[in-house]
Amino acid sequence: DIQMTQSPSSLSASVGDRVTITCRASQGVRNDLGWYQQKPGKAPERLIYGASNLQSGVPSRFSGSGSGTEFTLTISSLQPEDFATYYCLQYNSYPQTFGQGTKVEIK
Amino acid sequence: EVQLVESGGGLVQPGGSLKLSCAASGFTFSGSAMHWVRQASGKGLEWVGRIRSKANNYATAYAASVEGRFTISRDDSKNTAYLQMNSLKTEDTAMYYCAGLREDYWGQGSLVTVSS
Repeated sequence: DIQMTQSPSSLSASVGDRVTITCRASQGVRNDLGWYQQKPGKAPERLIYGASNLQSGVPSRFSGSGSGTEFTLTISSLQPEDFATYYCLQYNSYPQTFGQGTKVEIK
Repeated sequence: EVQLVESGGGLVQPGGSLKLSCAASGFTFSGSAMHWVRQASGKGLEWVGRIRSKANNYATAYAASVEGRFTISRDDSKNTAYLQMNSLKTEDTAMYYCAGLREDYWGQGSLVTVSS
């Protein structure tokens, strides 16, 4: 199975900060990677697919990059509604696997 | 409007069985692969398994943690996917989501609690 290692597991940031979350795959997944945002009590919502493609309706402050084994989710200017937990998901091979999550908290 | 509505969750004893349903509307269910994802309270997301469409022979795939105990099926005439869970363990306690991951469709989740 492909292991997805996310870092950091949590971070504290202020509104307006630039935030970067990294996901590393134990083997190459090409660009078959998505990023998800989850708020408490809600189902996840996809932000990015194909490593760098912005999901329709998602604000442009979210961006994704990377390919192969190293991926990054960047929030260019953190907004109050962005405080949530973020997950990466590789869908290159089965079983699909999520990263362990990054909780973004208010500083 | 796309909707996925899970049902069938509840309390079950270890070793017991439970079957979840996922009723879909608002999109072409028969053409979509359907996935199940679970989340234990306060924990991360875990992909459980998926079933592909008829065109892809209803192929299934499962996480190692549920392989041999869980079975995913679908009834395209009812626009419904199912997750049959047997030999349940306490560690299967979680919120179970059905999802069309390619399209990013998610249900609201169904809570399964395995406890004596």
